[in-house]
Amino acid sequence: DTAVSQTPKYLVTQMGNDKSIKCEQNLGHDTMYWYKQDSKKFLKIMFSYNNKELIINETVPNRFSPKSPDKAHLNLHINSLELGDSAVYFCASSPLGEGELFFGEGSRLTVL
Amino acid sequence: KQEVTQIPAALSVPEGENLVLNCSFTDSAIYNLQWFRQDPGKGLTSLLLIQSSQREQTSGRLNASLDKSSGRSTLYIAASQPGDSATYLCAVNSNDYKLSFGAGTTVTVRA
Repeated sequence: DTAVSQTPKYLVTQMGNDKSIKCEQNLGHDTMYWYKQDSKKFLKIMFSYNNKELIINETVPNRFSPKSPDKAHLNLHINSLELGDSAVYFCASSPLGEGELFFGEGSRLTVL
Repeated sequence: KQEVTQIPAALSVPEGENLVLNCSFTDSAIYNLQWFRQDPGKGLTSLLLIQSSQREQTSGRLNASLDKSSGRSTLYIAASQPGDSATYLCAVNSNDYKLSFGAGTTVTVRA
């Protein structure tokens, strides 16, 4: 059983399209995150949710909208995709905001 | 704002040699520090988590130390193997619940 699973693993799309990435964790954790890893492999936090409530929202364009229907799911919707959105997006979860993080396998987004 | 630096950026050693990976951070007000491993095209695998009250953690051939006052952590990997080749990332969990990552150290262990 995969602890943190993301779909799709690969996503290739045109500029201007809208796309979503889904994330689910079966660890019973309260906190979930979205991270972006750019071409230089640097990981940066985008959002954090605790029990379906947004607690961290870094400087991210409002084209990015996270949605947490329940504490086991955190989806990322991106509107009007731009070339610079191409990256690997990682979902993660932890038991508490300061607990050990568990990552998904990543979703590689390529915008053409 | 927490800044995390990892030195060196890349490291190549012959099999059997011990590895020493360094991580430094600017703000000592942290909850914990976590070391991860990332293989090419893969997600991050947690290796060790050190709470701010701890000085070190050990798991098999891995040992991580934490000196919070000086803002440093070191990951030691004993008797390296080709399977240890990967990128190792240090992440600091600050009091604002944000995890700040270093850029990583890419390790190559030559057979």
